[in-house]
Amino acid sequence: AQTVTQSQPEMSVQEAETVTLSCTYDTSESDYYLFWYKQPPSRQMILVIRQEAYKQQNATENRFSVNFQKAAKSFSLKISDSQLGDAAMYFCAYRSVYSNRKLIWGLGTSLAVNP
Amino acid sequence: DAGVTQSPTHLIKTRGQHVTLRCSPISGHKSVSWYQQVLGQGPQFIFQYYEKEERGRGNFPDRFSARQFPNYSSELNVNALLLGDSALYLCASSFRDSFQNTEAFFGQGTRLTVV
Repeated sequence: AQTVTQSQPEMSVQEAETVTLSCTYDTSESDYYLFWYKQPPSRQMILVIRQEAYKQQNATENRFSVNFQKAAKSFSLKISDSQLGDAAMYFCAYRSVYSNRKLIWGLGTSLAVNP
Repeated sequence: DAGVTQSPTHLIKTRGQHVTLRCSPISGHKSVSWYQQVLGQGPQFIFQYYEKEERGRGNFPDRFSARQFPNYSSELNVNALLLGDSALYLCASSFRDSFQNTEAFFGQGTRLTVV
């Protein structure tokens, strides 16, 4: 069974600085998708960035980028130029392309942005 | 376009009661998934429906059931509520069956409290 681990329950960053959130996963599959979701106090899960396992190039979305290390099963999220609105819970999630249709989630990292 | 809408937003029930949660997907989306998010944890997959058929079921007891209607809206039913069912219930919709690389859009969830 696949698992997702986020080892940092809480992180903080100064406004305009850069922060990296860690995520590791375990799977025996070779093809899958990885996601970072943001959950602000409004509770709605918002997709931040997505990575297809078959792509070697790391995904980027504006200030958000990932460091995808397939062999190490590591998928970290880097937030550059942090803004107050980035404060939220961040969840790493895994989805198989084979028999599973569900997202498998980590426990989340609470990110605080200090002015 | 309206996003994924869930109702009600908050709900308080007594142990042993039954509850029905509702979800309307984004217009044109045919797949709906349900997740349970206990406070301080990541979401756990409950069900996925596509074209009114159950396509996936998580590790939840038979007290949990769901269905999808011809208009692709969905209901999640929980019978014989337990204190441990207190959680945020999230609904996600996507255009296709989740085999394919389509983004899942989440609603704001229903906060269920069982007393």
